[in-house]
Amino acid sequence: DAKTTQPPSMDCAEGRAANLPCNHSTISGNEYVYWYRQIHSQGPQYIIHGLKNNETNEMASLIITEDRKSSTLILPHATLRDTAVYYCIVRSLTDSWGKFQFGAGTQVVVTP
Amino acid sequence: EPEVTQTPSHQVTQMGQEVILRCVPISNHLYFYWYRQILGQKVEFLVSFYNNEISEKSEIFDDQFSVERPDGSNFTLKIRSTKLEDSAMYFCASRLTGRPTDTQYFGPGTRLTVL
Repeated sequence: DAKTTQPPSMDCAEGRAANLPCNHSTISGNEYVYWYRQIHSQGPQYIIHGLKNNETNEMASLIITEDRKSSTLILPHATLRDTAVYYCIVRSLTDSWGKFQFGAGTQVVVTP
Repeated sequence: EPEVTQTPSHQVTQMGQEVILRCVPISNHLYFYWYRQILGQKVEFLVSFYNNEISEKSEIFDDQFSVERPDGSNFTLKIRSTKLEDSAMYFCASRLTGRPTDTQYFGPGTRLTVL
C-alpha cells in the first residue's frame, strides 16, 4: 500500500472549518484513501473514504486532487469533541483481508 | 447503531500469565481483526480472521498469540505467556464482507498492563 504523509499537528478554532492535508504521491489506481480518527486512546473511528471523486457524509468531506497524489479532509464546523488524532490511510482494492496500516497521523486540537 | 464491544476494559496481569481478551463483533460481520497500540505509538495490525481461520498475521503475532471464535458471537485473543512488552491497548475490529470498500469498525479497546 502507498505511504502517506501528514503534518504531525494542527490547531483549529471551534466553529471554523478544519482542513487536514494528506500526501500520498505514490498512490496507485486501485488504492482507496481512508480517514479514521482516534479520540484519546479510544478505538479508531471511521470518518470517510474515497477513490477519486470527492465524497461527503455527515461527519466530513474528502477532497481528492485530480492526480490523486494528495487529499484533504474537511471538518466543516469543528467542535471541541473533534480534538483527536486523524489518520489518512491508503489501502488497495486487492487487499481482500482488509488490514489497515496506521501511521502517526495528525494531532488536531480544537480550541475555544 | 451496532457497535463492537470489548471486555474487560482494563486487564492487569503478572508477567508469564495467560490472558484472554474478549470481543463481540457486530452481529452479521464476517471479518475480524485485532490491533494493538503501545502507549504513545502507532496502531499496529496483529491478525485478521475469516471463516474460522487466520487470513493474515503480522510479525508481532507470534506463537504466544492465538485467536478463536468459540461461538457465534465472541472473538478472542489469547496471549499465552505475557511479557512486559505486551502492555498495550488491544483493539478488536470487524467488517461486514470482504468487499474492499467495506468499513472496518473498531471496539473501544482493552488496556492490558503486564507487571
